[in-house]
Amino acid sequence: QLQLQESGPGLVKPSETLSLTCNVSGDSLSNSFHWGWIRQAPGKGLEWIGNIYYNGDTFPNPSLESRVTISMDTSKNQFSLRLNSVTAADTAVFYCARATGNAFDIWGRGTMVTVSS
Amino acid sequence: SIELTQPPSLSVSPGQTASITCSGNELGDKFASWYQQKPGQSPMLVIYQDYKRPSGIPERFSGSNSGNTATLTISGTQAVDEADYFCQAWDTTTVVFGGGTKLTVL
Repeated sequence: QLQLQESGPGLVKPSETLSLTCNVSGDSLSNSFHWGWIRQAPGKGLEWIGNIYYNGDTFPNPSLESRVTISMDTSKNQFSLRLNSVTAADTAVFYCARATGNAFDIWGRGTMVTVSS
Repeated sequence: SIELTQPPSLSVSPGQTASITCSGNELGDKFASWYQQKPGQSPMLVIYQDYKRPSGIPERFSGSNSGNTATLTISGTQAVDEADYFCQAWDTTTVVFGGGTKLTVL
């Protein structure tokens, strides 16, 4: 059964880089799916951050494109998110998810990241 | 890219039908999906490709998408359906979420 698990620091200082990893178990990253990052600020809605395709192609949200890097490590069956120059507005729960059929069908539990000095 | 608009809230009595709308320019030309999110939980996919239900989703959940509006319909709404619902569309290589609708069952 496919499972996704986000990991990374829960606290990041303003202007620094937020780095998260999504560990995928129960399936291979290379199996023709897309993989995505989504975030949710406290009490707010869902915001798509970007996707990485099974072949390594990446598609960031245009509104975050200048600050976002998404990558994958197939040897570890992980994909990662880097968001640089963070501010308090980047405080959110970050989810990784599998995308298929134009939808995100499997989600991780999410990890809370707070941006504060 | 497309913007998706949902009503912020909707109240329904148990056993009644809840219809949650999601509006966006030419949304009917794209696939719409719907997610249910309960407090403290990750979103869960309930409808994809406009009307398809993932395995395990009750038949009372249905979807449609035409013109500029996608609709999630919950027939015979139950107390367990009380949650936030988000629509989502895939616009070529860009993903967009609606702002969410808080469904109250009372």
